[in-house]
Amino acid sequence: QKEVEQDPGPLSVPEGAIVSLNCTYSNSAFQYFMWYRQYSRKGPELLMYTYSSGNKEDGRFTAQVDKSSKYISLFIRDSQPSDSATYLCASPSGGYQKVTFGTGTKLQVIP
Amino acid sequence: NAGVTQTPKFQVLKTGQSMTLQCAQDMNHNSMYWYRQDPGMGLRLIYYSASEGTTDKGEVPNGYNVSRLNKREFSLRLESAAPSQTSVYFCASSEAYPTGSSGNTIYFGEGSWLTVV
Repeated sequence: QKEVEQDPGPLSVPEGAIVSLNCTYSNSAFQYFMWYRQYSRKGPELLMYTYSSGNKEDGRFTAQVDKSSKYISLFIRDSQPSDSATYLCASPSGGYQKVTFGTGTKLQVIP
Repeated sequence: NAGVTQTPKFQVLKTGQSMTLQCAQDMNHNSMYWYRQDPGMGLRLIYYSASEGTTDKGEVPNGYNVSRLNKREFSLRLESAAPSQTSVYFCASSEAYPTGSSGNTIYFGEGSWLTVV
């Protein structure tokens, strides 16, 4: 079992929709949680991070962590075609010396 | 700044051939990584180097070797390529403890598409 799991999708939504992307994790030691965005044929880039439980908002994006259920979410408001990408959740592990990624969810926003 | 540069971008190998993927970063990062990305499997860590002179196995190290040549360079070698090693390979680098806070994140290269026939 992977330490970080997420539904691979693909997820297809109309422009302007609210998108919910979700991950679960198994390692209770995880404290930091990150979301990376990967455009086609490119390397992933950090979108945002959260620490421990709670919400964090950055523009149209909100990251949420529920440590009691080991559940991580990313919400995208007013989704745009430019949001079409693969979204990967991740957490530092191994004494924070490496990063474990989920499988990624492919999102397509239809104009 | 170039960031993380990896070569070659595309490569076709025959089963049993060997090759080395080269990676260099110009951000003075201590940590470097090699990941592979496959459909349905996500990014899986092959090897990482937390500092110059050290290397450690990741999730899928079998069939690979690495060399941290210096602080800038981290190469990945396939000694005897197999079709199961057909994948997209990403080199990455970061400061220590890439938690995402204070901009401390992993920076990825553009990827190397490898096909083993």
